[in-house]
Amino acid sequence: DAGITQSPRHKVTETGTPVTLRCHQTENHRYMYWYRQDPGHGLRLIHYSYGVKDTDKGEVSDGYSVSRSKTEDFLLTLESATSSQTSVYFCAISESWGLISDTQYFGPGTRLTVL
Amino acid sequence: QQQVKQSPQSLIVQKGGISIINCAYENTAFDYFPWYQQFPGKGPALLIAIRPDVSEKKEGRFTISFNKSAKQFSLHIMDSQPGDSATYFCAAGTSGSRLTFGEGTQLTVNP
Repeated sequence: DAGITQSPRHKVTETGTPVTLRCHQTENHRYMYWYRQDPGHGLRLIHYSYGVKDTDKGEVSDGYSVSRSKTEDFLLTLESATSSQTSVYFCAISESWGLISDTQYFGPGTRLTVL
Repeated sequence: QQQVKQSPQSLIVQKGGISIINCAYENTAFDYFPWYQQFPGKGPALLIAIRPDVSEKKEGRFTISFNKSAKQFSLHIMDSQPGDSATYFCAAGTSGSRLTFGEGTQLTVNP
């Protein structure tokens, strides 16, 4: 998985509790992404980062926040988890963005269940 | 429109057969079309990608066919093997923009 780790790998939590997912990379890639994967929806971008402390929203950002204080770490926080946020969350990294040969490398995923 | 529509949702083929997965897009500004392969419990991994200036790209048993006028592209897997059983995602993007993924196709290759 291209030097990307995600923690935790599985988590069960209750509605209304805060949850933080961590993505850690050892590739020193500039760009990092958080996606959620749901049946019938493919992969949808939640937030992305184009450098330390530089982040922006994706297409399904409501209810999520992110932070990137170091190149290697990208945190996704659910401030108050809801059942609709039950999903598999993937972190991805890329060396560059906008180049035709760019590739996004994905982590192993975190399965989150909100009861 | 940023949508990418993928079909079929699931596909079952026999070993040695041809698997075909189709995608359609609406945004004519898209200029990068990758396909990702995902095995159970793993993250997606880039399989093959194409630019719109060519109509076909082949890598081993995997071929992307691209039809710019129809705004469609497809993945063909020749001589399909049980080890090809996975979920396949098409995607589309533009320089300086994010990737938009299709809904995914679950491929099963029976021995």
